Amino acid sequence: EPEVTQTPSHQVTQMGQEVILRCVPISNHLYFYWYRQILGQKVEFLVSFYNNEISEKSEIFDDQFSVERPDGSNFTLKIRSTKLEDSAMYFCASSAIQSSYEQYFGPGTRLTVT
Amino acid sequence: GQQVMQIPQYQHVQEGEDFTTYCNSSTTLSNIQWYKQRPGGHPVFLIQLVKSGEVKKQKRLTFQFGEAKKNSSLHITATQTTDVGTYFCRTGGTSYGKLTFGQGTILTVHP
Repeated sequence: EPEVTQTPSHQVTQMGQEVILRCVPISNHLYFYWYRQILGQKVEFLVSFYNNEISEKSEIFDDQFSVERPDGSNFTLKIRSTKLEDSAMYFCASSAIQSSYEQYFGPGTRLTVT
Repeated sequence: GQQVMQIPQYQHVQEGEDFTTYCNSSTTLSNIQWYKQRPGGHPVFLIQLVKSGEVKKQKRLTFQFGEAKKNSSLHITATQTTDVGTYFCRTGGTSYGKLTFGQGTILTVHP
């Protein structure tokens, strides 16, 4: 069964550093998403992406964040100048069509900012 | 996204007992989805409800959408240890990406 993959599984970085989280969505999916989940809290929407541009973003997704689809398979989330409060699990998800709420989530990248 | 309140926050049951989690909104919802997240895992889509009063079943799981489309429930009959995890409802409007997750109900099943 096709699945979303994410790398790395765990990223440790120092405060102020830039990190890039990588995702490979399911190959025939067209809509891509990033979510984050701070330990013990609910999943929070960050951004959705379609046709090489951001469709929607939340209040969390400020200038510190950016997304990119650098090639036909990868979807990345860049966090500039990381802060302690950016420590969380970051999930990538994809869906086949816009009208589908059935989003397939990747296993997540645990980001630890020290 | 629309705000939803999910209750209870925690539920501990003995294996074989039933379990129900509720998702409530003060406003009418256009749709609602349910996800399950195993400990240390990622959210997995379970179901989507769209119609007023809709009831859907998946084996021991029964999902309901209220007549007024302001609440929803997930009921598990005769829980098993494999049911442990956090159950989230998620809702939003026509904005497919900007959907709001509930706080989740953490289910623990004691053998």
